[in-house]
Amino acid sequence: GQQVMQIPQYQHVQEGEDFTTYCNSSTTLSNIQWYKQRPGGHPVFLIQLVKSGEVKKQKRLTFQFGEAKKNSSLHITATQTTDVGTYFCAGPVGTYKYIFGTGTRLKVLA
Amino acid sequence: SQTIHQWPATLVQPVGSPLSLECTVEGTSNPNLYWYRQAAGRGLQLLFYSVGIGQISSEVPQNLSASRPQDRQFILSSKKLLLSDSGFYLCAWSTSGDQPQHFGDGTRLSIL
Repeated sequence: GQQVMQIPQYQHVQEGEDFTTYCNSSTTLSNIQWYKQRPGGHPVFLIQLVKSGEVKKQKRLTFQFGEAKKNSSLHITATQTTDVGTYFCAGPVGTYKYIFGTGTRLKVLA
Repeated sequence: SQTIHQWPATLVQPVGSPLSLECTVEGTSNPNLYWYRQAAGRGLQLLFYSVGIGQISSEVPQNLSASRPQDRQFILSSKKLLLSDSGFYLCAWSTSGDQPQHFGDGTRLSIL
């Protein structure tokens, strides 16, 4: 079945360093969503990308959708302690549901 | 604005006991509703989804069931809990299948 993998599984960075997580789908996606889950919390929607090669920015976060629409990345510039959490990508399966990636857990050391 | 309520926040149940978790959404009509389970430090596993009253799609065979008795109410149930049912249960809603999902605060279920 369809799979969505993310790498790395874990990442520890010093505050101020950059961070990137990669999302790879086994199938072509019509769109991709990104979520952030703080420790002990619930996933919160960050952004949705639809177009091939699309790049969107939210302050220090840059999201990219691959040309083949099978991969995506999230890059955080100059991480802060508030960036701690697990980042999930999610791709649609059929009409009504999404499959979530395996997640990348980010730890920021002050 | 739309809100989602999920309760209880924490639940400790003995093996073999029944379960009922409730989720309600306010401020929207005919939402798509979802139940997920998340094991500690792991990803999100879709358990059930519903696109309308009485319409339930099951994703994973297990001893859980779901019901949608009203448009904005989604219930997760079990007749007899297993140790493997422990986890973080999350309810979510969306306006349609290709739109963002909005999650409730979740229920942490521990089975003893």
